[in-house]
Amino acid sequence: EPEVTQTPSHQVTQMGQEVILRCVPISNHLYFYWYRQILGQKVEFLVSFYNNEISEKSEIFDDQFSVERPDGSNFTLKIRSTKLEDSAMYFCASSGGPSYEQYFGPGTRLTVT
Amino acid sequence: GESVGLHLPTLSVQEGDNSIINCAYSNSASDYFIWYKQESGKGPQFIIDIRSNMDKRQGQRVTVLLNKTVKHLSLQIAATQPGDSAVYFCAENSGGYQKVTFGTGTKLQVIP
Repeated sequence: EPEVTQTPSHQVTQMGQEVILRCVPISNHLYFYWYRQILGQKVEFLVSFYNNEISEKSEIFDDQFSVERPDGSNFTLKIRSTKLEDSAMYFCASSGGPSYEQYFGPGTRLTVT
Repeated sequence: GESVGLHLPTLSVQEGDNSIINCAYSNSASDYFIWYKQESGKGPQFIIDIRSNMDKRQGQRVTVLLNKTVKHLSLQIAATQPGDSAVYFCAENSGGYQKVTFGTGTKLQVIP
């Protein structure tokens, strides 16, 4: 069964550093998403991406965040200058099948120290 | 605004019993509702969905009920098993491939 993959599984970085989280969506999907989940809290939407542009973003997704689809398979989330409060699980998702179901990856745990 | 919330943070059930997880929503424009299961250290996993023009949908051991009058959604799990232990989120979107808005989650604990 096809699945969304994410790397790395855990990223530790110092405050102020840039990080890039990587995702490989399901190959025939056209819609891509990033969500985050702070420990013990609900999953929050960050951004959706379709046809090489952002289709929607939340208020969390400020100028420090950017997304890119650099090639035909990867979808990345970049945080330019990390803050302590960026520590969370970041989930990538993709959709595009006959249903609207979004398939989630296993997540990247980002720890900012 | 959009709001999806859960009534109970933790639910404990005996193995073999049926589980019912409830959820309230406030956005009348919500068109599509989804239940996700999240096991520890993993991403949300789709369980079952229902469109706003339906009031019941059944899957394998799971049933989702939608009451649009009172804006209430429930997930019923039949013959709960230890592998059902997880956090369950109700979620909604306004249709299509738009963002999913998650509720706060209910932790289901299955007692062997």
